[in-house]
Amino acid sequence: DTVMTQSPATLSASPGERVTLSCRASESVGTGVAWYVQKFGQSPKLLIYGASARAPGVPARFRGSVSGTDFTLTITSLQSEDSAIYYCQQYNNWPPITFGQGTRLDVK
Amino acid sequence: QEQLVESGGGMVQPGGSFRLSCVGSGFHFSGNTFHWFRQPPGKGLEWVAFLWYDGTMNSYADSLRGRFVVSRDNDKKTVFLEASGVRPDDSAVYYCATNIITQACNLWGPGTTIAVSS
Repeated sequence: DTVMTQSPATLSASPGERVTLSCRASESVGTGVAWYVQKFGQSPKLLIYGASARAPGVPARFRGSVSGTDFTLTITSLQSEDSAIYYCQQYNNWPPITFGQGTRLDVK
Repeated sequence: QEQLVESGGGMVQPGGSFRLSCVGSGFHFSGNTFHWFRQPPGKGLEWVAFLWYDGTMNSYADSLRGRFVVSRDNDKKTVFLEASGVRPDDSAVYYCATNIITQACNLWGPGTTIAVSS
């Protein structure tokens, strides 16, 4: 199975700042990577698919990029409501679809 | 408005079974494939199973194959997840999800919770 490794596990930042979340795949997954955000008590929400395409309605503050097997989610102009857990997911080599373990972002 | 809503959660005894339903609305149900995911309390997301358009080509997480079965009724716009021989580590919020336009799942239900305990 393709292992997705996210870093860091937790991240703190201030409103208005920019943060970078990383996700490394254990093997080639092409651009079959998505990023999700999950707030407490809610279901995951798709931010990015195809490594860099924003899902409908997602602000341009969220940007996905890829270099080989390294995937990055960059969030600019941080807002307090961005506090959540962010997951990467690969859907290129499936079954199974696999997720990273998540990065908890705290904006305060 | 596109929507998925799961139901059927509750407390189940170890070794027992459960059946979850997920009803879709606001989109062309039979033209979509579906996934089930789950999330144990305080943990990350796990893919459970996939349902083909007519339910003929489904796939499962290796660790769940043989205990979990998925099916669908396109006339009722409903997908199902049945589990048997459940264990405490099957306790989780179970989500159904599908993709509309995007490659990845962008429509998720709110989830339904299964707690396996005696």
